[in-house]
Amino acid sequence: DTEVTQTPKHLVMGMTNKKSLKCEQHMGHRAMYWYKQKAKKPPELMFVYSYEKLSINESVPSRFSPECPNSSLLNLHLHALQPEDSALYLCASSQGREGLAKNIQYFGAGTRLSVL
Amino acid sequence: DQQVKQNSPSLSVQEGRISILNCDYTNSMFDYFLWYKKYPAEGPTFLISISSIKDKNEDGRFTVFLNKSAKHLSLHIVPSQPGDSAVYFCAARDPNAGNMLTFGGGTRLMVKP
Repeated sequence: DTEVTQTPKHLVMGMTNKKSLKCEQHMGHRAMYWYKQKAKKPPELMFVYSYEKLSINESVPSRFSPECPNSSLLNLHLHALQPEDSALYLCASSQGREGLAKNIQYFGAGTRLSVL
Repeated sequence: DQQVKQNSPSLSVQEGRISILNCDYTNSMFDYFLWYKKYPAEGPTFLISISSIKDKNEDGRFTVFLNKSAKHLSLHIVPSQPGDSAVYFCAARDPNAGNMLTFGGGTRLMVKP
């Protein structure tokens, strides 16, 4: 089972709304990631959680706030977004940081976000 | 500064023939390379990987070749099938950057029946 589940699949929000994206995996992975992908572009890393601690923040604006309540869950809280934040938001997970040879990241299907 | 590049944005191949997708990189510290396949409205799906200490890895119809001196890798799909039509991303792992993946821009493969 290499499933990463993201909800919702689609989200439309206004610039004053507060919403959250959710990601869940039950593979025992200890690293989880948020990516943003614009059309015809590769995924861009936003955040990395390793063992429930934020280890990488790729200079993401504070209107995006990640949260890792436990090792299986990853949230992305959204507030006061801009229309240019409209994109596909992808969650991924991998085994962790123990110098593994592979540490393959497995992706969810993404949340298609539209900011009006 | 793109550390991973896929110079062909698209590739069209006849069913049954070989598809060759190319990827170049600049960072000699990358230690692992992965190929992902992405269908529209879905997340990337892991396809095949190769360690920097190897030059070839094969899995069924998919083979990845690595030329470290040229900083070049390629994905071969033989025989190509219409279901292989998707966007293919090459990604490289930097062990000095928390095992982060750097993705290439993707190549859209179209396999014609």
